[in-house]
Amino acid sequence: DGGITQSPKYLFRKEGQNVTLSCEQNLNHDAMYWYRQDPGQGLRLIYYSQIVNDFQKGDIAEGYSVSREKKESFPLTVTSAQKNPTAFYLCASRRLRQGVNTEAFFGQGTRLTVV
Amino acid sequence: DQQVKQNSPSLSVQEGRISILNCDYTNSMFDYFLWYKKYPAEGPTFLISISSIKDKNEDGRFTVFLNKSAKHLSLHIVPSQPGDSAVYFCAVLDRGSQGNLIFGKGTKLSVKP
Repeated sequence: DGGITQSPKYLFRKEGQNVTLSCEQNLNHDAMYWYRQDPGQGLRLIYYSQIVNDFQKGDIAEGYSVSREKKESFPLTVTSAQKNPTAFYLCASRRLRQGVNTEAFFGQGTRLTVV
Repeated sequence: DQQVKQNSPSLSVQEGRISILNCDYTNSMFDYFLWYKKYPAEGPTFLISISSIKDKNEDGRFTVFLNKSAKHLSLHIVPSQPGDSAVYFCAVLDRGSQGNLIFGKGTKLSVKP
Protein backbone atom coordinates (compact mmCIF):
# COMPACT_ATOMS: atom_id res chain seq x y z
CA ASP A 1 0.00 0.00 0.00
CA GLY A 2 1.28 3.46 -0.85
CA GLY A 3 1.25 6.11 1.79
CA ILE A 4 3.05 8.22 4.31
CA THR A 5 4.33 6.74 7.54
CA GLN A 6 5.17 8.80 10.57
CA SER A 7 6.85 7.32 13.60
CA PRO A 8 6.55 7.15 16.48
CA LYS A 9 2.90 7.98 17.09
CA TYR A 10 3.64 9.22 20.61
CA LEU A 11 6.93 10.67 21.79
CA PHE A 12 8.01 12.01 25.13
CA ARG A 13 11.03 14.25 25.49
CA LYS A 14 12.78 15.74 28.46
CA GLU A 15 13.44 19.45 28.41
CA GLY A 16 16.77 20.28 26.82
CA GLN A 17 16.87 17.18 24.61
CA ASN A 18 16.74 17.04 20.83
CA VAL A 19 14.36 14.55 19.28
CA THR A 20 13.83 13.40 15.68
CA LEU A 21 10.48 12.57 14.12
CA SER A 22 10.48 10.21 11.18
CA CYS A 23 8.49 10.63 7.95
CA GLU A 24 8.70 8.20 5.03
CA GLN A 25 6.60 8.09 1.85
CA ASN A 26 6.43 5.54 -0.93
CA LEU A 27 4.19 7.59 -3.20
CA ASN A 28 7.12 8.88 -5.26
CA HIS A 29 6.02 12.42 -4.40
CA ASP A 30 8.42 15.27 -5.04
CA ALA A 31 7.44 17.64 -2.25
CA MET A 32 7.33 16.94 1.46
CA TYR A 33 6.14 19.14 4.30
CA TRP A 34 6.09 19.36 8.08
CA TYR A 35 3.19 21.03 9.86
CA ARG A 36 2.47 21.62 13.49
CA GLN A 37 -1.04 21.60 14.94
CA ASP A 38 -1.92 23.33 18.19
CA PRO A 39 -5.46 23.65 19.58
CA GLY A 40 -7.31 26.44 17.78
CA GLN A 41 -4.32 27.21 15.55
CA GLY A 42 -4.91 25.11 12.48
CA LEU A 43 -1.90 23.72 10.63
CA ARG A 44 1.23 25.84 10.54
CA LEU A 45 4.08 25.12 8.16
CA ILE A 46 7.47 24.38 9.70
CA TYR A 47 9.65 23.30 6.76
CA TYR A 48 9.17 22.06 3.23
CA SER A 49 11.23 20.43 0.52
CA GLN A 50 10.55 20.11 -3.18
CA ILE A 51 13.68 18.25 -4.17
CA VAL A 52 16.35 16.07 -2.60
CA ASN A 53 19.06 17.97 -0.74
CA ASP A 54 17.04 21.18 -0.74
CA PHE A 55 14.53 22.57 1.78
CA GLN A 56 13.09 25.89 2.88
CA LYS A 57 11.82 27.37 6.11
CA GLY A 58 8.10 27.72 6.61
CA ASP A 59 6.30 30.13 8.92
CA ILE A 60 7.52 28.68 12.23
CA ALA A 61 10.94 27.13 11.54
CA GLU A 62 12.74 28.43 14.62
CA GLY A 63 13.93 25.58 16.85
CA TYR A 64 13.51 22.95 14.15
CA SER A 65 15.79 21.37 11.55
CA VAL A 66 15.23 18.97 8.65
CA SER A 67 17.14 16.99 6.06
CA ARG A 68 16.17 15.53 2.66
CA GLU A 69 18.88 13.06 1.75
CA LYS A 70 16.43 10.73 0.01
CA LYS A 71 13.25 11.45 -1.92
CA GLU A 72 11.29 9.12 0.36
CA SER A 73 12.41 10.55 3.69
CA PHE A 74 12.04 13.92 5.41
CA PRO A 75 12.93 13.68 9.13
CA LEU A 76 12.24 16.59 11.47
CA THR A 77 14.46 17.34 14.47
CA VAL A 78 12.93 19.31 17.31
CA THR A 79 15.84 20.97 19.05
CA SER A 80 16.19 22.28 22.59
CA ALA A 81 15.90 25.77 21.11
CA GLN A 82 12.20 25.20 20.39
CA LYS A 83 10.49 26.98 23.30
CA ASN A 84 7.16 25.22 23.19
CA PRO A 85 7.59 21.88 21.43
CA THR A 86 4.56 20.05 22.83
CA ALA A 87 2.23 19.67 19.83
CA PHE A 88 0.86 17.33 17.19
CA TYR A 89 3.24 17.10 14.22
CA LEU A 90 2.04 16.21 10.74
CA CYS A 91 4.08 15.25 7.71
CA ALA A 92 2.65 15.55 4.20
CA SER A 93 3.74 14.93 0.65
CA ARG A 94 2.53 16.14 -2.73
CA ARG A 95 3.13 15.23 -6.32
CA LEU A 96 4.38 18.17 -8.38
CA ARG A 97 3.42 18.36 -12.06
CA GLN A 98 3.59 21.46 -14.23
CA GLY A 99 0.11 22.80 -14.88
CA VAL A 100 -1.61 20.18 -12.71
CA ASN A 101 -3.21 20.89 -9.34
CA THR A 102 -2.56 18.18 -6.80
CA GLU A 103 -3.56 17.60 -3.22
CA ALA A 104 -1.29 16.82 -0.30
CA PHE A 105 -1.43 13.49 1.51
CA PHE A 106 -0.81 13.37 5.24
CA GLY A 107 0.68 10.88 7.64
CA GLN A 108 -1.06 9.87 10.85
CA GLY A 109 0.88 12.36 12.96
CA THR A 110 3.23 12.26 15.94
CA ARG A 111 2.15 13.60 19.31
CA LEU A 112 5.23 15.09 21.02
CA THR A 113 5.06 15.85 24.73
CA VAL A 114 7.81 17.52 26.70
CA VAL A 115 8.02 16.24 30.26
CA ASP B 1 -2.41 38.24 9.12
CA GLN B 2 -4.47 35.19 8.21
CA GLN B 3 -4.77 34.55 4.51
CA VAL B 4 -7.38 31.81 4.98
CA LYS B 5 -10.12 32.32 7.52
CA GLN B 6 -12.68 29.94 8.90
CA ASN B 7 -14.67 32.17 11.18
CA SER B 8 -16.82 29.51 12.79
CA PRO B 9 -14.81 27.36 15.21
CA SER B 10 -17.71 24.95 15.59
CA LEU B 11 -20.99 23.91 13.99
CA SER B 12 -23.70 21.58 15.25
CA VAL B 13 -26.18 19.97 12.87
CA GLN B 14 -28.90 17.37 13.13
CA GLU B 15 -28.43 14.11 11.27
CA GLY B 16 -30.01 14.22 7.81
CA ARG B 17 -29.82 17.99 7.54
CA ILE B 18 -27.38 20.09 5.52
CA SER B 19 -24.01 21.17 6.96
CA ILE B 20 -22.49 24.33 5.51
CA LEU B 21 -18.90 25.16 6.34
CA ASN B 22 -17.50 28.50 5.23
CA CYS B 23 -14.06 29.79 4.32
CA ASP B 24 -12.78 33.21 3.24
CA TYR B 25 -9.44 34.06 1.67
CA THR B 26 -7.64 37.32 1.12
CA ASN B 27 -5.58 36.91 -2.04
CA SER B 28 -7.44 37.04 -5.34
CA MET B 29 -4.50 35.29 -7.01
CA PHE B 30 -5.29 32.00 -5.25
CA ASP B 31 -6.72 29.61 -7.81
CA TYR B 32 -6.92 26.16 -6.22
CA PHE B 33 -8.86 25.37 -3.07
CA LEU B 34 -9.15 22.22 -1.00
CA TRP B 35 -11.11 20.83 1.93
CA TYR B 36 -9.67 18.33 4.38
CA LYS B 37 -11.37 16.34 7.11
CA LYS B 38 -9.57 15.46 10.33
CA TYR B 39 -10.41 13.15 13.20
CA PRO B 40 -8.64 13.58 16.58
CA ALA B 41 -5.10 12.21 16.74
CA GLU B 42 -5.11 11.40 13.02
CA GLY B 43 -3.76 13.10 9.91
CA PRO B 44 -6.11 15.13 7.71
CA THR B 45 -7.63 13.35 4.73
CA PHE B 46 -8.37 15.07 1.45
CA LEU B 47 -12.07 15.54 0.79
CA ILE B 48 -12.69 17.67 -2.27
CA SER B 49 -11.10 20.50 -4.25
CA ILE B 50 -12.05 23.17 -6.74
CA SER B 51 -10.16 25.17 -9.30
CA SER B 52 -10.92 28.84 -9.87
CA ILE B 53 -12.19 28.11 -13.37
CA LYS B 54 -15.23 26.48 -11.77
CA ASP B 55 -17.80 27.71 -9.28
CA LYS B 56 -19.01 24.33 -8.12
CA ASN B 57 -17.62 20.84 -7.68
CA GLU B 58 -19.61 17.89 -6.44
CA ASP B 59 -18.58 14.49 -5.09
CA GLY B 60 -21.38 12.42 -3.62
CA ARG B 61 -22.74 14.13 -0.52
CA PHE B 62 -20.04 16.82 -0.67
CA THR B 63 -20.24 19.96 -2.79
CA VAL B 64 -17.84 22.87 -2.76
CA PHE B 65 -18.96 26.28 -4.02
CA LEU B 66 -16.56 29.05 -4.98
CA ASN B 67 -17.46 32.74 -5.16
CA LYS B 68 -14.38 34.44 -6.57
CA SER B 69 -15.71 37.97 -6.38
CA ALA B 70 -16.39 37.54 -2.66
CA LYS B 71 -13.23 35.45 -2.12
CA HIS B 72 -15.39 32.91 -0.39
CA LEU B 73 -15.87 29.18 -0.59
CA SER B 74 -18.19 26.83 1.19
CA LEU B 75 -18.52 23.10 1.72
CA HIS B 76 -21.99 21.60 1.76
CA ILE B 77 -22.63 18.15 3.18
CA VAL B 78 -26.04 16.69 2.39
CA PRO B 79 -27.35 14.71 4.14
CA SER B 80 -25.14 15.01 7.20
CA GLN B 81 -24.26 11.80 9.03
CA PRO B 82 -22.83 11.24 12.53
CA GLY B 83 -19.64 9.90 10.93
CA ASP B 84 -19.11 13.33 9.38
CA SER B 85 -18.33 14.69 12.85
CA ALA B 86 -14.75 15.93 12.56
CA VAL B 87 -12.70 19.09 12.11
CA TYR B 88 -12.81 20.45 8.56
CA PHE B 89 -9.93 22.50 7.23
CA CYS B 90 -10.07 24.79 4.24
CA ALA B 91 -6.77 25.18 2.35
CA VAL B 92 -5.49 27.18 -0.61
CA LEU B 93 -2.55 26.52 -2.90
CA ASP B 94 -0.10 29.40 -2.66
CA ARG B 95 1.87 29.42 -5.92
CA GLY B 96 3.84 32.38 -4.64
CA SER B 97 5.50 30.17 -2.01
CA GLN B 98 6.40 27.36 -4.38
CA GLY B 99 3.09 25.62 -4.12
CA ASN B 100 2.60 25.34 -0.38
CA LEU B 101 -0.82 24.83 1.12
CA ILE B 102 -2.10 27.47 3.52
CA PHE B 103 -4.69 26.20 5.99
CA GLY B 104 -7.48 27.85 7.90
CA LYS B 105 -7.89 27.16 11.61
CA GLY B 106 -10.64 24.63 11.05
CA THR B 107 -14.30 24.20 11.93
CA LYS B 108 -15.39 21.41 14.25
CA LEU B 109 -18.57 19.82 12.93
CA SER B 110 -20.81 17.82 15.25
CA VAL B 111 -23.64 15.85 13.66
CA LYS B 112 -26.17 14.77 16.25
CA PRO B 113 -28.25 11.62 15.73
